[in-house]
Amino acid sequence: NAGVTQTPKFQVLKTGQSMTLQCAQDMNHNSMYWYRQDPGMGLRLIYYSASEGTTDKGEVPNGYNVSRLNKREFSLRLESAAPSQTSVYFCASGGGDSSSYEQYFGPGTRLTVT
Amino acid sequence: SQKIEQNSEALNIQEGKTATLTCNYTNYSPAYLQWYRQDPGRGPVFLLLIRENEKEKRKERLKVTFDTTLKQSLFHITASQPADSATYLCALDAHNTDKLIFGTGTRLQVFP
Repeated sequence: NAGVTQTPKFQVLKTGQSMTLQCAQDMNHNSMYWYRQDPGMGLRLIYYSASEGTTDKGEVPNGYNVSRLNKREFSLRLESAAPSQTSVYFCASGGGDSSSYEQYFGPGTRLTVT
Repeated sequence: SQKIEQNSEALNIQEGKTATLTCNYTNYSPAYLQWYRQDPGRGPVFLLLIRENEKEKRKERLKVTFDTTLKQSLFHITASQPADSATYLCALDAHNTDKLIFGTGTRLQVFP
């Protein structure tokens, strides 16, 4: 089992460019999440998907869009990158049922917007 | 507003001692609380979950307590080792959902 995988690991964008961060999990989890982590701010939820075909906004959704392509894959898109989106992005997955609330994280994508 | 507080200052302890990390929260009534470990440059790794009706949970050298009256969780690592050096994050469920709200973490440094 690879767990949660993310691509790319690093990315540098210029302001206004767009990109998609990819995430996949092989644990058959229902729920998937996108977070960003900034110094002193902790992990903040950007978007969330409870199941295939459903998505919901988290704490900081502005400037992002997501797609839950199937049960395995959940992508995050930046349509027009801004320097404020410089951060480390983590994808996570979890069972999403009453018996399994823990989340499993990918290795992260380090994004710099200049 | 909802708030989770962890000591932002690093905790430095000697190998073999017990490390105790604190997580305080306000304006929450969580159904459960979780603790994660994060190493530099890596994603968080789940350690323990404790539910609101549980006072204490143990796993090997780890122990978590959950006091819903004090709105506080304590995370203990007994017989600490240099390999335990990492940042430890606490997280609470948001409004009894499977969405989590994370604290900013406490960095633990165990020196020989």
